[in-house]
Order: sequence, then C-alpha cells, then structure tokens
Amino acid sequence: KAGVTQTPRYLIKTRGQQVTLSCSPISGHRSVSWYQQTPGQGLQFLFEYFSETQRNKGNFPGRFSGRQFSNSRSEMNVSTLELGDSALYLCASSLTGTVQETQYFGPGTRLLVL
Amino acid sequence: GIQVEQSPPDLILQEGANSTLRCNFSDSVNNLQWFHQNPWGQLINLFYIPSGTKQNGRLSATTVATERYSLLYISSSQTTDSGVYFCAVRDLTGGGNKLTFGTGTQLKVEL
Repeated sequence: KAGVTQTPRYLIKTRGQQVTLSCSPISGHRSVSWYQQTPGQGLQFLFEYFSETQRNKGNFPGRFSGRQFSNSRSEMNVSTLELGDSALYLCASSLTGTVQETQYFGPGTRLLVL
Repeated sequence: GIQVEQSPPDLILQEGANSTLRCNFSDSVNNLQWFHQNPWGQLINLFYIPSGTKQNGRLSATTVATERYSLLYISSSQTTDSGVYFCAVRDLTGGGNKLTFGTGTQLKVEL
C-alpha cells in the first residue's frame, strides 16, 4: 500500500505570495492532519480534516487554511506569506482519527519564503 | 495543554553502544507514538505504545502511563540510527486527532 504523499517537495516563494500544498493520504484513510516544523517552535499541529470537515485546529493565524476533498486528499493554503512561514510542512493520515490509531506521516514539503 | 519533554536533547554514541531516550508528559494520554526523523525530514513510525512494552528488532519501548513517561531503548546502535527521535502524545481532553510532540533527541552514532 502506498504511503502518504505530499507535493511539491520543495518550494521557494517570496513574501506576500500565497502557496498551496497537497497531501494524498494512505488509501482508505479518511483523517488528514497537518503539522508545521521549524527550528524554533518544533513540530506544531495546524489542523485536522475528516470527511471533508475541519475537526480540530491549532493556534495559527487565519492565513493558514485547508480543505479536504471527497477522495480524502487534502490541501493547505498559506496566504500573504511571511518570512517566518519558512518551514517543513508535514501531513499525516490515519483511518478515522480515533484514539487507538497510529498516524502515518508523509515526506513533507519544505517551504522557503524569501 | 499537555507538555511533553524529552531527554537528553543530544546524544553521541559509538557504533555498537546502547542508549535510552526518555519522554515525560504532564497529563494522562490515550495515544503515544515514537518517531524517527531521518535526515530528509520524514517521520518514520517506530512504536504506537500508550502503555506497556513493545520490541522491534534492536528497538524497544516502554510506557508507564500511570507515571507519565515512556522510554525508547536502542541497542547495538548503527550509524543509520542517527537522526532525531520524537515522542508524540494525544491527551484525553484534546478533540480530534491532534498530536503534541516533544522537542526531540538528536542522536548521532559514530564509527
């Protein structure tokens, strides 16, 4: 079974631009979560989607948004990019997001904002 | 929210040595996972271990939920074990599928 895939793997943008990242979960998984990893803040939860609905949200500004499609693929969007948005963005999937489930992570998208 | 602390923050070992990594958490949890982040950034699942002990080859993990800690043991370390090890938990009060990560242990295994 293929793992979680993320595209693109690397991205360079300039301040003020917007960016869209994509995540395809493991086949059959319906819960998709997004995390941001930076050297200063570590790994932080952004949001989770299940059945096309945002189920949980971390403490990030409204510039960070996401959505999930009927095939469980998810996208996250960052508008009006800031230098501090430079990070590794990781996507994780699990079957339904219930307590006893393992989350599986994709390879990540490295975003550099200049 | 729940706090997760890992120790030591950095560890340098000679190949063949054993090590123990620790994860302390501040509240009851219903999900605990250990990950290895490779040099390319991918988080690789090692264990799902909210309680008890598990072993997988040279790695084993123990979680004592009542005392709020988990340990990851690496035996006969190899250079390929280098990277950052994270524990992540989901607390009982959190909704959805949010994992809270520790700050990680950076492991370097030298020849």
